[in-house]
Formats: sequence, structure tokens, C-alpha cells
Amino acid sequence: GAGVSQSPRYKVAKRGQDVALRCDPISGHVSLFWYQQALGQGPEFLTYFQNEAQLDKSGLPSDRFFAERPEGSVSTLKIQRTQQEDSAVYLCASSFSEVGETQYFGPGTRLLVL
Amino acid sequence: AQSVTQLGSHVSVSEGALVLLRCNYSSSVPPYLFWYVQYPNQGLQLLLKYTSAATLVKGINGFEAEFKKSETSFHLTKPSAHMSDAAEYFCAVRGYSSASKIIFGSGTRLSIRP
Repeated sequence: GAGVSQSPRYKVAKRGQDVALRCDPISGHVSLFWYQQALGQGPEFLTYFQNEAQLDKSGLPSDRFFAERPEGSVSTLKIQRTQQEDSAVYLCASSFSEVGETQYFGPGTRLLVL
Repeated sequence: AQSVTQLGSHVSVSEGALVLLRCNYSSSVPPYLFWYVQYPNQGLQLLLKYTSAATLVKGINGFEAEFKKSETSFHLTKPSAHMSDAAEYFCAVRGYSSASKIIFGSGTRLSIRP
């Protein structure tokens, strides 16, 4: 498909387990964003990539969260030693230019930490 | 700093009635403003965006929004509600600088009564 895809769509993890969430942006899109959406809330910014460079990681809630985009395309958000408060939907978005005027969102990964 | 306030976490209207979802923003610079819609278990879909061109912005599915600088508002309207409009709606703001993150409101759930 031509849209942003994310995998897995659902993930159940035991507290303390590490998880990795994948985002495939729209082909050719320069900018990539990760957001965290808690239940009943709006999405909150986590981090931003321009090609392979991580230019803003101010929204990452702790050093347990790590994101990478090594080849400037696919991105992975990794959460180490998951906690119950990490339970949320993780949304990925991409945009064509550095300005990122219009961001196109993927369906999200719903993470549940037990 | 930028922020968005959505008035009313839940709005219910009858099918065929006017839809009005309220959004006020705070921004120290001319903002980009957005309305996104989210259907259950899906990602965010852009309804419309304001980028300092026309103050009345028309979007998809018959929605429109008017940027009022004096009121710092960007309310979303639709003349006649349809059952398929039932969803979560998010107002969002973004700064003008490149790669600015989007700041989302907390969302308004729109219900349509038959």
C-alpha cells in the first residue's frame, strides 16, 4: 500500500520485557515522527527524524525509550524494561519535506504491558 | 509555547443537525492549524489544515473550519451530520519552523443520534 504502515498492530508484554515497534513510512518521505497516545488522550510527540538524523528527542519520557532510523527509511522505536505506564498506542507519521507541513499517520501499535 | 484546548470531550448531535466542535489555540508565532479525525482502531486522518492562506478552510467529508485570530479559535463545522461522522476529532497546532512537532488537543468524541 501507499500509506504509512506499522507493525505489530498489537503487542502484549510482561513488565520488564523489551519491545520493538516498527514503522514503514511512505516511500520518499524525509521526515518521520513518533507519537504516544494514552487512552482517552490526544497524541503526544516523542521524537523526530529527518532522514537518518534524529533531530528532536525531547518527548521521549525516559532513557528506556530509544528510536532509530539507520537508513533514513524504516524506523524502530524500542522500549526497554517496559512498565505498565508505557501502555498506549504508538503512532508513526511521515511527511514529504523537511518542513513537514502535512503528516500522514499510520494505524498505530497498541501496546499493553501487564 | 503552543497549546490547544478543545472544549467538550463529548458532543452528541442528531443526524442532519449542525456539527460544531470547538478549538482554541495558543501560539506565539503564526501557526499551522489542523483538524484530524480518528475512527476506532485506526490512525489519524487529516480533515483540513490552515496555513495562513484563506481563513475559511474547506476539508474532506463536508467539514470546514474558520481561523479567527482575534478569538484564537479554529472551530470545526459541518452543516448536516451523517452517521458516518461518529469518531474522535483532534484539533492540533504546529509552529512555522521546520520539522516542528504537532501539539494535539485532548480530543472530542462526536456521537450521532439517529
